[in-house]
Amino acid sequence: GAVVSQHPSRVICKSGTSVKIECRSLDFQATTMFWYRQFPKQSLMLMATSNEGSKATYEQGVEKDKFLINHASLTLSTLTVTSAHPEDSSFYICSAFGLAGFQETQYFGPGTRLLVL
Amino acid sequence: KQEVTQIPAALSVPEGENLVLNCSFTDSAIYNLQWFRQDPGKGLTSLLLIQSSQREQTSGRLNASLDKSSGRSTLYIAASQPGDSATYLCAVSVSSASKIIFGSGTRLSIRP
Repeated sequence: GAVVSQHPSRVICKSGTSVKIECRSLDFQATTMFWYRQFPKQSLMLMATSNEGSKATYEQGVEKDKFLINHASLTLSTLTVTSAHPEDSSFYICSAFGLAGFQETQYFGPGTRLLVL
Repeated sequence: KQEVTQIPAALSVPEGENLVLNCSFTDSAIYNLQWFRQDPGKGLTSLLLIQSSQREQTSGRLNASLDKSSGRSTLYIAASQPGDSATYLCAVSVSSASKIIFGSGTRLSIRP
């Protein structure tokens, strides 16, 4: 089946630093990628929609200058958490929309756990 | 605005029981509905995907139904096992490439 990878799987950083998370579609091209955030014991909430070659569309309440998204190719999108603070600690999951085999749907990555000290 | 609700929030049953998880959504104009499984600290595993034109999907001991007009879906798990313990998420999308809206999940615990 289709595979979406995320790197790193977990990261611990100091408050004030920036962290970059990569999302790759490994065996299909993804014109659209999505970034979700999940706080403990809560469900996934969409942060932004990323289309290859254009600016990301952010959900209400998500700061675009804090969460920088770049979708430079059809297989890679990156999320950079700038000047991270402890309240940004969360589980970040990406998904990639594309055609893998006979099914065109969203495929989810394994997630990145971010802990900001 | 589409909202997805899952009931119950948590469920604990003894091994071997059949059980039903419920999901409701406020806007019936959906493209598809998916059920996911999430183990603690892990990502999502897609269990079943039902297109808007379908009524149900089956995979092994799992059966998911969809009633678009009433805005409901159920996930039926037969002969539950301790390995089924996880959080089950229901999610809908309104078009093929649109965002997915998740419910808050049902935390399932199967007692040996």
